[in-house]
Amino acid sequence: QVQLVQSGAEVKKPGASVKVSCKASGYTFTDYYIHWVRQAPGQGLEWMGWSNPNNGDTNYAQNFQGRVTMTRDPSISTAYMELSRLRSDDTAVYYCARDLLTRSFWFDPWGQGTLVTVSS
Amino acid sequence: EIVLTQSPATLSLSPGERATLSCRASQSVSSSLAWYQQKPGQAPRLLIYDASNRATGIPARFSGGGSGTDFTLTISSLEPEDFAVYYCQQRSIWPPVTFGGGTKVEIK
Repeated sequence: QVQLVQSGAEVKKPGASVKVSCKASGYTFTDYYIHWVRQAPGQGLEWMGWSNPNNGDTNYAQNFQGRVTMTRDPSISTAYMELSRLRSDDTAVYYCARDLLTRSFWFDPWGQGTLVTVSS
Repeated sequence: EIVLTQSPATLSLSPGERATLSCRASQSVSSSLAWYQQKPGQAPRLLIYDASNRATGIPARFSGGGSGTDFTLTISSLEPEDFAVYYCQQRSIWPPVTFGGGTKVEIK
């Protein structure tokens, strides 16, 4: 079955960077965009951007421009999201999610989430 | 940026009752709207896409409707496992893709 498995929880200091991985299985990795969505504690969902695993193209939400980098390694069916210059308000669960259909921008399935805690 | 406003914020109902959730867009998104369910400690799950299409494996008691700026998610008869938070999402005009603030369906 289609599955996304993310890396484990991280604790970072303000100003540091974090890199979250998302390993895909059960389908052809290069056929579907990977999106990243975050959720602060007790809050709603915030879309961060997408990565095209086929050619490496990306598109980022303006709120994260200059701080986020989405990459991928097709040889191991893994996508990555790196967020730099972390602040306390970046504390959140970060999810990767696959396009339901090619370039559909409907998200299914989702990874299990990675909690990133930013604290001094 | 398209703003999605969900109402009510909380819906208190009993199992077996009908739930009607609303999502209003700040401008027309045509039929480019989806609904997700999220339970505590879990990732969201896609329920409905393109306003009215049920995702694979979603029970028939979940239905979506609407177009333009006004959308509804209806749960015809609440099961115990349906008590959760529900989010709408638009993909019509991006970036950014946007989500509503969520509606919590709680047991009365």
